[in-house]
Amino acid sequence: AQKVTQAQTEISVVEKEDVTLDCVYETRDTTYYLFWYKQPPSGELVFLIRRNSFDEQNEISGRYSWNFQKSTSSFNFTITASQVVDSAVYFCALSLYSSASKIIFGSGTRLSIRP
Amino acid sequence: GAGVSQSPSNKVTEKGKDVELRCDPISGHTALYWYRQSLGQGLEFLIYFQGNSAPDKSGLPSDRFSAERTGGSVSTLTIQRTQQEDSAVYLCASKVSGISYEQYFGPGTRLTVT
Repeated sequence: AQKVTQAQTEISVVEKEDVTLDCVYETRDTTYYLFWYKQPPSGELVFLIRRNSFDEQNEISGRYSWNFQKSTSSFNFTITASQVVDSAVYFCALSLYSSASKIIFGSGTRLSIRP
Repeated sequence: GAGVSQSPSNKVTEKGKDVELRCDPISGHTALYWYRQSLGQGLEFLIYFQGNSAPDKSGLPSDRFSAERTGGSVSTLTIQRTQQEDSAVYLCASKVSGISYEQYFGPGTRLTVT
């Protein structure tokens, strides 16, 4: 079965703290892509990053970093020195070569950054 | 360039009425998805269109829901005989064909059934 689990329903931290959002996926496919999307209070989902199953290199973009580990089927997202503008719901998603129509989303993690 | 647009942005309807929600995808995007997002919840897949292929309707919750995509571009999601449990935000997304490409989401239509 294909599945994406975001076990953290809600996280609240104080501004400037680092925070990691967990994403664990399940698939038997060997070719797949993983994505993170951000849904700010305005409601429109915005793409953040993609990673393919053959590339385990971690990625850093400013305050954002992503850790992909196939051994644990995880694709975690860390925000360093969080800011109030980071407050949003974050979704992890899985796209499979075997099923182009099905992009499997996790249930999302609501992140609140307190000033 | 223009992103995905959806109309109306808000729709309030009485129980039992039919509603039509519209999605204008990004030009050139052959794949189009409809999702439903209830308050504070995740994304529920409804239907997927890819070019001229038969749509994947496996996510439609009942036969009151239908969707079409005309000319490979604009899509309309129709809900007949609306029920209160249909109240949600309906999101449309489009993308280039291929699993490596990200989806571009519209702002959604907030449907309230009274």
